[in-house]
Amino acid sequence: AQSVAQPEDQVNVAEGNPLTVKCTYSVSGNPYLFWYVQYPNRGLQFLLKYITGDNLVKGSYGFEAEFNKSQTSFHLKKPSALVSDSALYFCAVRAFSGAGSYQLTFGKGTKLSVIP
Amino acid sequence: KAGVTQTPRYLIKTRGQQVTLSCSPISGHRSVSWYQQTPGQGLQFLFEYFSETQRNKGNFPGRFSGRQFSNSRSEMNVSTLELGDSALYLCASSQGQGAGNEQFFGPGTRLTVL
Repeated sequence: AQSVAQPEDQVNVAEGNPLTVKCTYSVSGNPYLFWYVQYPNRGLQFLLKYITGDNLVKGSYGFEAEFNKSQTSFHLKKPSALVSDSALYFCAVRAFSGAGSYQLTFGKGTKLSVIP
Repeated sequence: KAGVTQTPRYLIKTRGQQVTLSCSPISGHRSVSWYQQTPGQGLQFLFEYFSETQRNKGNFPGRFSGRQFSNSRSEMNVSTLELGDSALYLCASSQGQGAGNEQFFGPGTRLTVL
């Protein structure tokens, strides 16, 4: 069975500084990895995904993520944090679960606070 | 394109009642998945429907059920509500079932069981 770990419940960063939100995964076979963001009282918004190819994936709102197969990690990064980036971030892995279906499994989430 | 819509947005029920939640996917999307989000358990997969057939089911009791209609709209039903069913229920749609298809989420239905 697949699993995702987000080791930090909360990350605090000063506005303008680079940010990293960590994610490690466990899956049989090729991983399909995703990052989502959730603002208060809202659903999840898709940020980016890794399917295959370049290990550095660029996504929405200036976010990017680095896939590292040997470390089974998929950390989310942004060069310069904005106060508006403050939200809950979820890493997810999608893997084959039988019957032609791919189940999406989420990490527990990391709350990012960007301090002005 | 309009996004995923969910109705109602908020719902208050009492223990023992049943509830039906509705989800309209993005036009052209045929796969609909449901998730339960709680502070303690995080995001947990409930089930996935594709072409009116349930393709996958998470580890939830039989009180949780769903269906999908020919227009891809989906409903989920929870019978004999328990206090622990209080949660944000999220619906997500995607174009297909392929692993690389990202899911697009609705705003959720906040269910409170008293």
